[in-house]
Amino acid sequence: ETGVTQTPRHLVMGMTNKKSLKCEQHLGHNAMYWYKQSAKKPLELMFVYNFKEQTENNSVPSRFSPECPNSSHLFLHLHTLQPEDSALYLCASSQVGTTSINEQFFGPGTRLTVL
Amino acid sequence: AQSVTQLGSHVSVSEGALVLLRCNYSSSVPPYLFWYVQYPNQGLQLLLKYTSAATLVKGINGFEAEFKKSETSFHLTKPSAHMSDAAEYFCAVRGTGNQFYFGTGTSLTVIP
Repeated sequence: ETGVTQTPRHLVMGMTNKKSLKCEQHLGHNAMYWYKQSAKKPLELMFVYNFKEQTENNSVPSRFSPECPNSSHLFLHLHTLQPEDSALYLCASSQVGTTSINEQFFGPGTRLTVL
Repeated sequence: AQSVTQLGSHVSVSEGALVLLRCNYSSSVPPYLFWYVQYPNQGLQLLLKYTSAATLVKGINGFEAEFKKSETSFHLTKPSAHMSDAAEYFCAVRGTGNQFYFGTGTSLTVIP
């Protein structure tokens, strides 16, 4: 595997289900991100992890719970979601703390549908 | 605070014609600017980035962008559109704490 991978690619869940999204980066980066992409809206940054520590939580509802066990893996745990949470969830990684300006590398996303 | 505005949510061009996608930024500090492309059912892929070196930045797939401080713009261009260029394009600016702020995207359609 190369780059940033995400599983599953598609997920359909009921409002009472509990599921998890997984992201893995194979780039040796030290920062990882979760974004929500909804139609006609800018990408919404949800969570940021630098060196496995959460540094940003942009007012995300508690029904979304991130976990970063190491610098290569990032999870998004989902429970009691709402239909408006249906979206494409993108994971990204980057290298921070250097003098160069490093872009974010994105995974293919998980298309989530909440019924 | 940093932000970007993409003018035109949809752009259509004929195959072989010039592609121009507009992006204006707002930043209280010298900006670092990026263009990403997203093909259907895929994540975002970096096209090019501006990091205060040359104002004309060349990227992949024949795209380039010019940083114009006086106009606070970073428009994306390609001299001749190809069918494979049909995708969603996002402009982004890097803010503090390494956060990226993305525009709402421009959907490019290439007409044969």
